[in-house]
Amino acid sequence: KNEVEQSPQNLTAQEGEFITINCSYSVGISALHWLQQHPGGGIVSLFMLSSGKKKHGRLIATINIQEKHSSLHITASHPRDSAVYICAVRYYGGSQGNLIFGKGTKLSVKP
Amino acid sequence: DSGVTQTPKHLITATGQRVTLRCSPRSGDLSVYWYQQSLDQGLQFLIQYYNGEERAKGNILERFSAQQFPDLHSELNLSSLELGDSALYFCASSTGGLEFDEQYFGPGTRLTVT
Repeated sequence: KNEVEQSPQNLTAQEGEFITINCSYSVGISALHWLQQHPGGGIVSLFMLSSGKKKHGRLIATINIQEKHSSLHITASHPRDSAVYICAVRYYGGSQGNLIFGKGTKLSVKP
Repeated sequence: DSGVTQTPKHLITATGQRVTLRCSPRSGDLSVYWYQQSLDQGLQFLIQYYNGEERAKGNILERFSAQQFPDLHSELNLSSLELGDSALYFCASSTGGLEFDEQYFGPGTRLTVT
């Protein structure tokens, strides 16, 4: 059983729509990462969170430690946002490099 | 461009062979991580090195080994290759290898075993 669950698995949106991708995990974590993987395969780290909220341009990431849940929001979505978005966590007590990954959410934004 | 480089970009080889994947971290980064992304398993952590020493080990097979050299570049060696080893292999680097350090990913090496 994957310890990091993402939803939805697939998401199709029209350009300009507000998008939310969710990530839930099972036990206490020290950090949560949101990654973006483009169709060519390259991975970009978007955010690393341990509490609260972070914003970068049209992207906002939030985390609720009590609920063990994080969301990635994209405002005013654009076709260039089409990618796979991956949530990854590092659990307390896990070895320092040991990120556990969700299966990803494939986002397609139509013009 | 993350500043992390990986070579080669693509590698096609036959079952039973051995290959070496290379990673150069961002300038100044001491820690290197290796990840495998396959269609059925998704992304998995393999191994981490910090300043030449193994720091953490994940789901790395015994047929696989890695090392980090004094100039901080790292190599991942895959031997006795099987069809199931076909995957994207990513390297990432971070400043200190601490749990709150940002990781920067390389472009990946796509390995195809035929």
